Amino acid sequence: QKEVEQDPGPLSVPEGAIVSLNCTYSNSAFQYFMWYRQYSRKGPELLMYTYSSGNKEDGRFTAQVDKSSKYISLFIRDSQPSDSATYLCAMSAASNTGNQFYFGTGTSLTVIP
Amino acid sequence: DAGVIQSPRHEVTEMGQEVTLRCKPISGHNSLFWYRQTMMRGLELLIYFNNNVPIDDSGMPEDRFSAKMPNASFSTLKIQPSEPRDSAVYFCASSPLSAYAGGEQFFGPGTRLTVL
Repeated sequence: QKEVEQDPGPLSVPEGAIVSLNCTYSNSAFQYFMWYRQYSRKGPELLMYTYSSGNKEDGRFTAQVDKSSKYISLFIRDSQPSDSATYLCAMSAASNTGNQFYFGTGTSLTVIP
Repeated sequence: DAGVIQSPRHEVTEMGQEVTLRCKPISGHNSLFWYRQTMMRGLELLIYFNNNVPIDDSGMPEDRFSAKMPNASFSTLKIQPSEPRDSAVYFCASSPLSAYAGGEQFFGPGTRLTVL
């Protein structure tokens, strides 16, 4: 079983729609949960960063973490064509033996004007 | 503030040649990571450093790959000899936290490597 599972999509929505992106994971030790946005031919850009469970909102973006279900989500409200990109979830845990940092495979999103 | 800086941005070389990729992490960051991204396998962690010391290179695919971090502001990833299957985008990322602490990473723009 992979550490992090993410539906690759592709996902196509009309402008203004609410977008829901999700990841599941298996390691209960994960404490840090991140969403990265990657435009074509660019590096991943940190979008949201959450520690432990709960919600975090930043403008049109909301990140949710449910540690009991091992499930994280990213919601995009009023989606715009400029949101068209690949979204990668990532999660990590502190460890005495070294870095425990895992990425999902990414979900490709297209917002149609 | 300048983010993570990588050079070159594009590299085209012939099979068998040596390739050196360079990275300057964000000033003050404590850990540095090298990744490779391909369509088939997504992002793969190759090696990471904590306070300039290599911690885990188990992701390095073969002995042809080597990485160094001589000081806190510079790291290199070398491939010698290069092969066509090494063609990928190579990313460097740095984190303000120790590599043992987890936490967020900040990525550079990547080097797109093509080996003919």
